[in-house]
Amino acid sequence: NAGVMQNPRHLVRRRGQEARLRCSPMKGHSHVYWYRQLPEEGLKFMVYLQKENIIDESGMPKERFSAEFPKEGPSILRIQQVVRGDSAAYFCASSPGDRLYGYTFGSGTRLTVV
Amino acid sequence: GDSVTQMEGPVTLSEEAFLTINCTYTATGYPSLFWYVQYPGEGLQLLLKATKADDKGSNKGFEATYRKETTSFHLEKGSVQVSDSAVYFCALRDAGNMLTFGGGTRLMVKP
Repeated sequence: NAGVMQNPRHLVRRRGQEARLRCSPMKGHSHVYWYRQLPEEGLKFMVYLQKENIIDESGMPKERFSAEFPKEGPSILRIQQVVRGDSAAYFCASSPGDRLYGYTFGSGTRLTVV
Repeated sequence: GDSVTQMEGPVTLSEEAFLTINCTYTATGYPSLFWYVQYPGEGLQLLLKATKADDKGSNKGFEATYRKETTSFHLEKGSVQVSDSAVYFCALRDAGNMLTFGGGTRLMVKP
């Protein structure tokens, strides 16, 4: 049973390009969460999704960022027109919908904007 | 709203020293509590958890006890190793399905 799979592991984009980050949750997990981590800093919540629904996007920047978790396929975090300040590690996590369980995290995508 | 407060790091210890990383929380309900560890260049891994008051979570020599009266979940280890050097995150999960994280505490263990 594979864990949470994120790809790519590393992504380099030029300013103004689009970045698409993918996350396949653990089998049986229907809740997906995206976090951003700047170097030497903690985790910043971005968005919480269930299949075909955005549950909480209070941490998402209002512009250029979007997320989806379609009925089929992985969850996608999309950053349009990237800027240098978007350079960070982006982590995806999944869980079953029960407070007794924590999240299972992926290894992250490290985005570098040049 | 829910919140988690951890002691600020870095915490620097010599090998075989005793470790305590303090964590206190604020929650409206009866949360589950977690400690996660992040090694350099990796994602977060669940280290241990406790789901109700007075429960003790333990793993790899680490322990933490859910103290409702002091709203705390301090992480302890009797004898740290160099390989324990990492960032440790305390977190809680309440009925709303969201994990609330503390700011993380970096531990550096020197040989």
